[in-house]
Amino acid sequence: AQSVSQHNHHVILSEAASLELGCNYSYGGTVNLFWYVQYPGQHLQLLLKYFSGDPLVKGIKGFEAEFIKSKFSFNLRKPSVQWSDTAEYFCAVTIGGGADGLTFGKGTHLIIQP
Amino acid sequence: NAGVTQTPKFQVLKTGQSMTLQCAQDMNHNSMYWYRQDPGMGLRLIYYSASEGTTDKGEVPNGYNVSRLNKREFSLRLESAAPSQTSVYFCASSQTRSAGELFFGEGSRLTVL
Repeated sequence: AQSVSQHNHHVILSEAASLELGCNYSYGGTVNLFWYVQYPGQHLQLLLKYFSGDPLVKGIKGFEAEFIKSKFSFNLRKPSVQWSDTAEYFCAVTIGGGADGLTFGKGTHLIIQP
Repeated sequence: NAGVTQTPKFQVLKTGQSMTLQCAQDMNHNSMYWYRQDPGMGLRLIYYSASEGTTDKGEVPNGYNVSRLNKREFSLRLESAAPSQTSVYFCASSQTRSAGELFFGEGSRLTVL
């Protein structure tokens, strides 16, 4: 079965710092990749997604992610974080035709200090 | 835009009691899901319904039952609640199971004493 690894469970940054959250998946075939965000007390919402084409994907609120097939990675980045980016971030993947649905990583809890 | 609506938002049960979490979506999606979220465990799939009339077990189905009442509604039932079922439950929907993009409800926080 496919798996998704998010190596950083907790990340603390200061405002204006740059952010990179790691995500690796274990599957050698075609994948669709997603980042979801969950703000405190809220439900998950889609941040960005990659299906095909340009491996650098831009999402909402200044986030972007780069799909590197050779590294099985889909890391999330933001050049300058804000206090309002404090949230939990989940990487997720579907494999092949997606018949097995979406597999989530365990999440990274990001805290931005003012 | 209602999206995915789930009720109740909060519930406290005693061990052994039963309850049903209700979920409805107004996006004409074919697939619906129930997840539970626990600290350090991420999201775990309990049951899903790929299309109206079908339901399948996910990663952690024990202690739960589901009903896909119609295309809009997908309920989750705890027949005999246990403290291990204390969690936050999320309903979600997607156009199809392979689509990947899920739309989530606001969550239901359940405490079992």
